[in-house]
Order: sequence, then structure tokens, then C-alpha cells
Amino acid sequence: QKEVEQDPGPLSVPEGAIVSLNCTYSNSAFQYFMWYRQYSRKGPELLMYTYSSGNKEDGRFTAQVDKSSKYISLFIRDSQPSDSATYLCAMTSGTYKYIFGTGTRLKVLA
Amino acid sequence: NAGVTQTPKFRILKIGQSMTLQCTQDMNHNYMYWYRQDPGMGLKLIYYSVGAGITDKGEVPNGYNVSRSTTEDFPLRLELAAPSQTSVYFCASSPSGGISANGQFFGPGTRLTVL
Repeated sequence: QKEVEQDPGPLSVPEGAIVSLNCTYSNSAFQYFMWYRQYSRKGPELLMYTYSSGNKEDGRFTAQVDKSSKYISLFIRDSQPSDSATYLCAMTSGTYKYIFGTGTRLKVLA
Repeated sequence: NAGVTQTPKFRILKIGQSMTLQCTQDMNHNYMYWYRQDPGMGLKLIYYSVGAGITDKGEVPNGYNVSRSTTEDFPLRLELAAPSQTSVYFCASSPSGGISANGQFFGPGTRLTVL
């Protein structure tokens, strides 16, 4: 079993839709949870991070962590074509070692 | 600030050749990392460094070497290139090993093909 599971997609949605991206994990030691956005042929850039359980909101983006279910989500409201990218979840127990999901490819259609 | 820079952007190697992938950061970060990204496989950690003169193996270190003589530079060396090393390589840095408000900063990547 992989430590982090993420549906690769692709996920296609119309402009303005609410997008839900998810990861599940198996290691209960993970405390910090991140979402990265990666445009084609570019490096990942950090979108959001949360510590432990709960929600965090930043503009159109909301990150949720449910540690009891070992499940994290990223919601994108009012999705735009510029949101089309691959979204990677990542997590760590607080050390150097970050475990990344394989990424979900998102296409927002104009 | 340029952030994390990597050179070259692209490279084609023949089996058995050697090369060094360069990585430089100008944010005075202590921690630096090398990852490889293969299609459908996520990012795998090759080597990491917690400061100048200190390096350690990650998840997939075989076939690679690193050095860290300065805070800014963290080159990755491939000694005898093999087709299995065809991948996109990303260098990243962070202020510390634990989480910070900015997480890890990634470079633009080096796309390597070994034929």
C-alpha cells in the first residue's frame, strides 16, 4: 500500500465549477499537509499548507484535513482556466521527509 | 531574488556518460533537496542536505552523488548514466527540515533523457 494515494485524473470541469481534489494516506504520524500546483513543464509551487486537522481558506482555495479518516481535500471555488494544472498533495511528520502524491491533472474548460 | 535555479533545462546523455545537474538558491535556506519525477510516480527524494558539508540519502540514491560545499549550491552528479535515470529532476530548498509557512521552494527542473 502506498503511503499517499491520489487519483491521477484527468479531471475536466467547466469554468466556474467547484473542484474537489483529494488524497488519502496511511501514516498516522503525518502532521503537516500541503498542496502544490504544478503547471506543465514547471516546478511545483506551494498553494496551501495545514497543520493537523481542520480547514484553511485562502481566496478561492480551501484545504481540509480529516486526520481521523486520514483524508485531505483541496477545494477550488469559481474555477478558472488558469487553474488548469496538476495538483500534488504532500505531507510530512515534521522532518526533512516529504511524501508526495502522484498528482491529479485538472482541466478547467472555458 | 531568483529563488531556486537549475541548469541545464534539458540534456540528452548516452549510456555510460556522466554529468552534473546544477542547483543554486539565493534565499539562504539551510535545507536543500533533489527529487526525480517520473510519469504517474510522484516526486521521489534522491538526496537531501541540512547545511553546508552535510548530505544524506533519500529514497532513491543509487546512481547519484551530491556535495554541498556552500549554502547556496547543491549539485547532483550522475556518474554512469543509465536509461532508468531518464526523468525530470527538481531541486528544492526550505528554511528548515520541518514545515514553514512557505514549505519547499522548487526550481524549474532539468529534463534528462538517457539513450
